[in-house]
Amino acid sequence: ELKVEQNPLFLSMQEGKNYTIYCNYSTTSDRLYWYRQDPGKSLESLFVLLSNGAVKQEGRLMASLDTKARLSTLHITAAVHDLSATYFCAVDFHNTDKLIFGTGTRLQVFP
Amino acid sequence: DVKVTQSSRYLVKRTGEKVFLECVQDMDHENMFWYRQDPGLGLRLIYFSYDVKMKEKGDIPEGYSVSREKKERFSLILESASTNQTSMYLCASSFHLEQYFGPGTRLTVT
Repeated sequence: ELKVEQNPLFLSMQEGKNYTIYCNYSTTSDRLYWYRQDPGKSLESLFVLLSNGAVKQEGRLMASLDTKARLSTLHITAAVHDLSATYFCAVDFHNTDKLIFGTGTRLQVFP
Repeated sequence: DVKVTQSSRYLVKRTGEKVFLECVQDMDHENMFWYRQDPGLGLRLIYFSYDVKMKEKGDIPEGYSVSREKKERFSLILESASTNQTSMYLCASSFHLEQYFGPGTRLTVT
């Protein structure tokens, strides 16, 4: 069964701190996506990672992909309140555009 | 900017009713998708379509059907709504490795 697991499911962190969200998946893939969702809103694309060793950065967020370990990470640097949201990873297992989503990580950043 | 629109943001229907959720994209994308989102479960794929008149089952198609008569429009149909279909429904279209999501329809079945 194709599975995508995210952890932690919930993350409460102080402003200024660093943290990492992990996304493990169960079988070979070289396409991984990260999305952000604000409460009551739709999904916003953050990163598309397409090869082993891919690293992308936007502001305080950095995503990486290790296809051999079947692991992607989303690293948050010096968190600010505006980053509070739910973050999803999703994997395209057979390059079909069919995405399997993780359960999401709800991030709360407090002062 | 790519636009994916959904016909309703909020919908309340009764058990047994036939429900239509409409999705329209304005960028001539060939691929369109319907997901449902439930707390703790992430997004799960219901149906998808790679072209007009073409449809394929996703991971949880039971109780749903779809229609794609025109390239820009992909409809999700609940033939006989049940309370366990209360959920957030998200439509998406994709092109060149990017999926673009609509605003979602929060459906409540009472």
